Amino acid sequence: GAGVSQSPSNKVTEKGKDVELRCDPISGHTALYWYRQSLGQGLEFLIYFQGNSAPDKSGLPSDRFSAERTGGSVSTLTIQRTQQEDSAVYLCASSPRGQGSNSPLHFGNGTRLTVT
Amino acid sequence: DAKTTQPTSMDCAEGRAANLPCNHSTISGNEYVYWYRQIHSQGPQYIIHGLKNNETNEMASLIITEDRKSSTLILPHATLRDTAVYYCIVRVAYAGNMLTFGGGTRLMVKP
Repeated sequence: GAGVSQSPSNKVTEKGKDVELRCDPISGHTALYWYRQSLGQGLEFLIYFQGNSAPDKSGLPSDRFSAERTGGSVSTLTIQRTQQEDSAVYLCASSPRGQGSNSPLHFGNGTRLTVT
Repeated sequence: DAKTTQPTSMDCAEGRAANLPCNHSTISGNEYVYWYRQIHSQGPQYIIHGLKNNETNEMASLIITEDRKSSTLILPHATLRDTAVYYCIVRVAYAGNMLTFGGGTRLMVKP
């Protein structure tokens, strides 16, 4: 079946511009996660959505970062006034159940963001 | 979540079994062992997970020692496409909303 889909796959933007990254999770998955991965580094947690509950935003690095999930499905990660240190691969993952389960996460292939 | 220790890199001949070790000596009774891999330019891919019993699926087998302080991921017949970074992670099911990926093991499958 279809996996987690992210768009665009690559995004080059100028410093100071806003960007929106999109994630389509696997149908029926109630949990959705955003991570980012800098070159050669591990994954950095950003934000977590579970059903209609308030999202866990504890990983967002600054108030320039925000995310929403509409209708419990598609999610958009927005970065305002981008900085060069925002350059990374932004990964989205979904899971059939979130907190309280051992369900594995299924990742998309990410959006590679380059801020020039 | 418990810390894990994995070798930085390993080589394996194509067609042979790849055995990837992971130490998690501080694992708690309610923490699961998960394995993911990341092939270049792709997102992490879930492989297998377990609590205390050995597990097998279409991709791999997971062998967990009786004291749960270490585990081994086994790819029974490695192919060139199995070349990737393999991550061993331990986490509780109910507490963490996030996975903490360490350095992983870079497996190189050679012809």
